[in-house]
Amino acid sequence: EPEVTQTPSHQVTQMGQEVILRCVPISNHLYFYWYRQILGQKVEFLVSFYNNEISEKSEIFDDQFSVERPDGSNFTLKIRSTKLEDSAMYFCASSPGLAGGPGELFFGEGSRLTVL
Amino acid sequence: KNEVEQSPQNLTAQEGEFITINCSYSVGISALHWLQQHPGGGIVSLFMLSSGKKKHGRLIATINIQEKHSSLHITASHPRDSAVYICAVTSGGSQGNLIFGKGTKLSVKP
Repeated sequence: EPEVTQTPSHQVTQMGQEVILRCVPISNHLYFYWYRQILGQKVEFLVSFYNNEISEKSEIFDDQFSVERPDGSNFTLKIRSTKLEDSAMYFCASSPGLAGGPGELFFGEGSRLTVL
Repeated sequence: KNEVEQSPQNLTAQEGEFITINCSYSVGISALHWLQQHPGGGIVSLFMLSSGKKKHGRLIATINIQEKHSSLHITASHPRDSAVYICAVTSGGSQGNLIFGKGTKLSVKP
């Protein structure tokens, strides 16, 4: 069964360092997303990406964040200069794109980021 | 005020019991999602619905658009159903900007 894969599963970094989280969405999906979940809190939307551009982003997704689809398979989230409060689980998701909208979401297993 | 409220926050059941988790929302939506988060953290989509009722195996999801309320039912619960169940809504016109509830932690005892 097709699945969304994320790497790394866990990354530890020093404050101020750049981090890139990678995702391989399901191959024929058209919409891609990043969400995050700070430990003990609810999941929060970061950004959605469609047709090679950001379609929506939240207030969390400030200038320190960027997303890219560098080739036909990868979808990356870059955090330019990490802060302690960026420590969280980051989830990538994709959806197929149906006539009525994006469709059901398929999530990856998450990448846990720890900023020291 | 949270835009998506779930109840209960925590639920303990005995194996075989019928379980109901409730979700109320205060915004206009285009779709409502029920998600399952495993103890390891991974998230699986259970249902996406915008009206009526859907069934998959022992799971049933219903939504009442007029009352802005949805329920997730689990019949014949099993210890492997133990997880956090999350309700999330997509507001009208949005593409993936989900508003998440805090989740309901379910523990099913053998």
